[in-house]
Amino acid sequence: KAGVTQTPRYLIKTRGQQVTLSCSPISGHRSVSWYQQTPGQGLQFLFEYFSETQRNKGNFPGRFSGRQFSNSRSEMNVSTLELGDSALYLCASSPDLTSGNTIYFGEGSWLTVV
Amino acid sequence: KNQVEQSPQSLIILEGKNCTLQCNYTVSPFSNLRWYKQDTGRGPVSLTIMTFSENTKSNGRYTATLDADTKQSSLHITASQLSDSASYICVVTKGGYNKLIFGAGTRLAVHP
Repeated sequence: KAGVTQTPRYLIKTRGQQVTLSCSPISGHRSVSWYQQTPGQGLQFLFEYFSETQRNKGNFPGRFSGRQFSNSRSEMNVSTLELGDSALYLCASSPDLTSGNTIYFGEGSWLTVV
Repeated sequence: KNQVEQSPQSLIILEGKNCTLQCNYTVSPFSNLRWYKQDTGRGPVSLTIMTFSENTKSNGRYTATLDADTKQSSLHITASQLSDSASYICVVTKGGYNKLIFGAGTRLAVHP
């Protein structure tokens, strides 16, 4: 069974640009969540999607957005990139909404903003 | 304030030795507590997940304990191996909102 797949794995963007990251969950998993990981702040929850609807949102500015498609695949978008957005962005999937389930993480997308 | 604090921040042990990592939380209401292992440059991998009523849960050489009264958890690693070198992250799910709150992690280095 394939794991959580994230693309691209590495990317470099310039300040002010926007970026879209993609996540394919484990087959049969309907919940997808996104996290930002930086050396200074650690792992922080961005948002969670289930059945194409955002069910939960962390404390991030509106420049961070996401969506989920009918096949459970998800994308997140960051607009007007800032240097501080440089981070590892992790996607995770679970069979149902997060609460009691094991969450499976992908390998992440490394974003560098210059 | 909902927080998860882990100690120590980093730890070095010799191969074959045991170690214990600590996690204290102030998250309320509590739903569950998870331990994850994250190798450098990789995504976190689940070790255990415990609910309010569970005191101990094992996964191979990893044993997690939970004291919901004192809001403390520990992860004990037995007979450490070089492959145990990683960051160990404690995560608490806030009940109701199903929001995950992460600790900063403990970076473990196992030396031969």
